[in-house]
Amino acid sequence: ETGVTQTPRHLVMGMTNKKSLKCEQHLGHNAMYWYKQSAKKPLELMFVYNFKEQTENNSVPSRFSPECPNSSHLFLHLHTLQPEDSALYLCASSGTSGRVSQETQYFGPGTRLLVL
Amino acid sequence: AQKITQTQPGMFVQEKEAVTLDCTYDTSDQSYGLFWYKQPSSGEMIFLIYQGSYDEQNATEGRYSLNFQKARKSANLVISASQLGDSAMYFCAMRDNFNKFYFGSGTKLNVKP
Repeated sequence: ETGVTQTPRHLVMGMTNKKSLKCEQHLGHNAMYWYKQSAKKPLELMFVYNFKEQTENNSVPSRFSPECPNSSHLFLHLHTLQPEDSALYLCASSGTSGRVSQETQYFGPGTRLLVL
Repeated sequence: AQKITQTQPGMFVQEKEAVTLDCTYDTSDQSYGLFWYKQPSSGEMIFLIYQGSYDEQNATEGRYSLNFQKARKSANLVISASQLGDSAMYFCAMRDNFNKFYFGSGTKLNVKP
């Protein structure tokens, strides 16, 4: 596989369920991101990992728990979510070598999450 | 503070014509990167084109070109010879030297046959 992959592509869960979203990048990057995209809202950055270390947490509720075991994998663990958490969750990765501002961010296809 | 502004919520263009999508940004950094992404209804964000703040020439990638006006802090996307498959949301983004990306609210482009 190439690029950035995400599984599952679609997820329906109840408010008491626990589920995990998975992201994997095959680009040799060392930075990974989680974004949330709700209908009619701008893209919201949730978490950033650089070299497996979390460097950004944009005041995300604790019911979202990220995990980055290595530079190629990123997880988002979900528990006791609310209906307003229904959204498209996008994973992205980028390199951080050379001039940082030049590095492009590449996205996965996203997971469409519906919380009932 | 970093900020990206896209003032056109929606745009229509006739097939085979050119269209310009506007983007302005606000930053006090000297070094930054500007990007455009396309998001079809499937949801995936597709990278289109990149412009570095120190690049003197406007970036081009096939039918896409970036009209970079540094003094005005604008980075407009020009799509030439529009195709029906160009119908999608388009996002302008900026990356700073702290590995943060900032996205605009997007422009929905509809290409009419």
